[in-house]
Amino acid sequence: EAAVTQSPRNKVAVTGGKVTLSCNQTNNHNNMYWYRQDTGHGLRLIHYSYGAGSTEKGDIPDGYKASRPSQENFSLILELATPSQTSVYFCASGVGDQDTQYFGPGTRLLVL
Amino acid sequence: QQKVQQSPESLIVPEGGMASLNCTSSDRNVDYFWWYRQHSGKSPKMLMSIFSNGEKEEGRFTVHLNKASLHTSLHIRDSQPSDSALYLCAAQISGGNYKPTFGKGTSLVVHP
Repeated sequence: EAAVTQSPRNKVAVTGGKVTLSCNQTNNHNNMYWYRQDTGHGLRLIHYSYGAGSTEKGDIPDGYKASRPSQENFSLILELATPSQTSVYFCASGVGDQDTQYFGPGTRLLVL
Repeated sequence: QQKVQQSPESLIVPEGGMASLNCTSSDRNVDYFWWYRQHSGKSPKMLMSIFSNGEKEEGRFTVHLNKASLHTSLHIRDSQPSDSALYLCAAQISGGNYKPTFGKGTSLVVHP
């Protein structure tokens, strides 16, 4: 089974501060994704990547940036965190078409 | 933007009973459907996938797909308390844009 890890697992940030969430996968999957999960909204796609050096906007990219420096690593960056970004963030990886998602354990972010 | 609708939002079934969950896509170009299960406090894990019209069975779980109506359903027979979880449906258009869309989920509670 695909191994996807996330760090940190929990984070408290202040409004206006910079937050970086990191994701690492060890199965050489081309595609990686960042989602947020909120009650009543399900999983919403923020950014995704087809491979090292590529990032694409998902359905709710405003206020977020992404970076894919290598096949294994995909980061989500909140330059100016706001309380509305308090959520649980999941990273996922997948191979390609018919793209089963393998999720990391999640990061709980609280922005005060 | 494709929408994935799931029903019901929540479902309570007795232990040993049958649970039936529904999912419909708004995009006629959708080719692939997945069902993910997410236990409380955990990350989603793929339960079953279905890409062709018809039925697929794995143990107590059966999934149906009708591409003409863009509808898939998941049926859990002999439900167990350990099946209590959030069930997420995902749909994806084939080719090029590897971007699954998730529904908001059905919360299933199986009571002893």
